[in-house]
Amino acid sequence: GDSVTQMEGPVTLSEEAFLTINCTYTATGYPSLFWYVQYPGEGLQLLLKATKADDKGSNKGFEATYRKETTSFHLEKGSVQVSDSAVYFCALGGTGANNLFFGTGTRLTVIP
Amino acid sequence: DTAVSQTPKYLVTQMGNDKSIKCEQNLGHDTMYWYKQDSKKFLKIMFSYNNKELIINETVPNRFSPKSPDKAHLNLHINSLELGDSAVYFCASSQEGRARWETQYFGPGTRLLVL
Repeated sequence: GDSVTQMEGPVTLSEEAFLTINCTYTATGYPSLFWYVQYPGEGLQLLLKATKADDKGSNKGFEATYRKETTSFHLEKGSVQVSDSAVYFCALGGTGANNLFFGTGTRLTVIP
Repeated sequence: DTAVSQTPKYLVTQMGNDKSIKCEQNLGHDTMYWYKQDSKKFLKIMFSYNNKELIINETVPNRFSPKSPDKAHLNLHINSLELGDSAVYFCASSQEGRARWETQYFGPGTRLLVL
């Protein structure tokens, strides 16, 4: 079945460091891939998405490229800020009903 | 202005009680969802309704019963609450609910603590 495997956390970085959070997926067909972010005490919100192979999603300095050959959708940011501290979820939208499969989430803490 | 709202935000109750959580979206979306987030932040779909019709019903105890009076509202009623029901419950909505590329919009969550 469809599933997402996400890098375990927590991740602690200094401000302006480079961020990578790994995400790989298993799916039948041609899924869409998402990164959602959950700031402390809030609900999830979409960070970026890609709907087909080789698409790159980007938002707020974050990027992720849909790689079919490696079944991956790694999240990257060149220079993190304290305000990026949150939990990041990789998710897969499979075929059929719009049911998102979420990874386990990666907590990022950025220290000044 | 709130797109997806949930009430209450916090719910503390005793084992065995019955409680309800309400969700409303003002985005004009056709599909709404309930997710459960456990203490380790793992998120799992529970139910999904499209235009008041149940389309996803995951393996959830039948103590949980969703109700959608109209497509803008999806409520969750829980009977005979158990300790293991303690979690954060998120409501979400999406435009149509039939395309894998649709963005889902989440509410702020309801933090349920069963004592």
